[in-house]
Amino acid sequence: KAGVTQTPRYLIKTRGQQVTLSCSPISGHRSVSWYQQTPGQGLQFLFEYFSETQRNKGNFPGRFSGRQFSNSRSEMNVSTLELGDSALYLCASSETPGLASTDTQYFGPGTRLTVL
Amino acid sequence: AQSVAQPEDQVNVAEGNPLTVKCTYSVSGNPYLFWYVQYPNRGLQFLLKYITGDNLVKGSYGFEAEFNKSQTSFHLKKPSALVSDSALYFCAVRDGGYSTLTFGKGTMLLVSP
Repeated sequence: KAGVTQTPRYLIKTRGQQVTLSCSPISGHRSVSWYQQTPGQGLQFLFEYFSETQRNKGNFPGRFSGRQFSNSRSEMNVSTLELGDSALYLCASSETPGLASTDTQYFGPGTRLTVL
Repeated sequence: AQSVAQPEDQVNVAEGNPLTVKCTYSVSGNPYLFWYVQYPNRGLQFLLKYITGDNLVKGSYGFEAEFNKSQTSFHLKKPSALVSDSALYFCAVRDGGYSTLTFGKGTMLLVSP
């Protein structure tokens, strides 16, 4: 099976702009989670989607949003970009959501966002 | 609340020697524990997980981890390190109930030739 794919891999934006990142999960996986990775804060959970519904949300401002489509593909959007949003954004998929706590999350390669 | 601690920012080991990357956790219920590895400019790659049963879990690339409930630890081990094992290693925990995955800060493993 193909792994989790994320597009684009690299992105450069300026402050105030908005950005949309895309994630395609492993075929058959219905849960998609997003994480932000920075050197200072490490890996932080953004949100989780299952069957087009947000099941969990991390402690991030409302500028960060996401959605999931009927084919399980997911997008996340960041509006009014700030310098501190520069990070590696990782998407992970699993067969079922956090309710099945034993499930393994499989990660994509990430999107490196740089905000100037 | 659940949490994970990786007490070492960096571990240095010579090729051929055994390696250990430490992880301790805190959860209110039963812990489900995971190890991931990240190579430069790549996403996280799953190595192994502990759900229940045998305290010694074997995973990919010769790695294994030992679950110790009394010490609330889940240390990653490998009998003989390779230079190619050099990477950033993350321990993660999920409470047995409905919860998200919480990651440690990561430990950089450097294996010298």
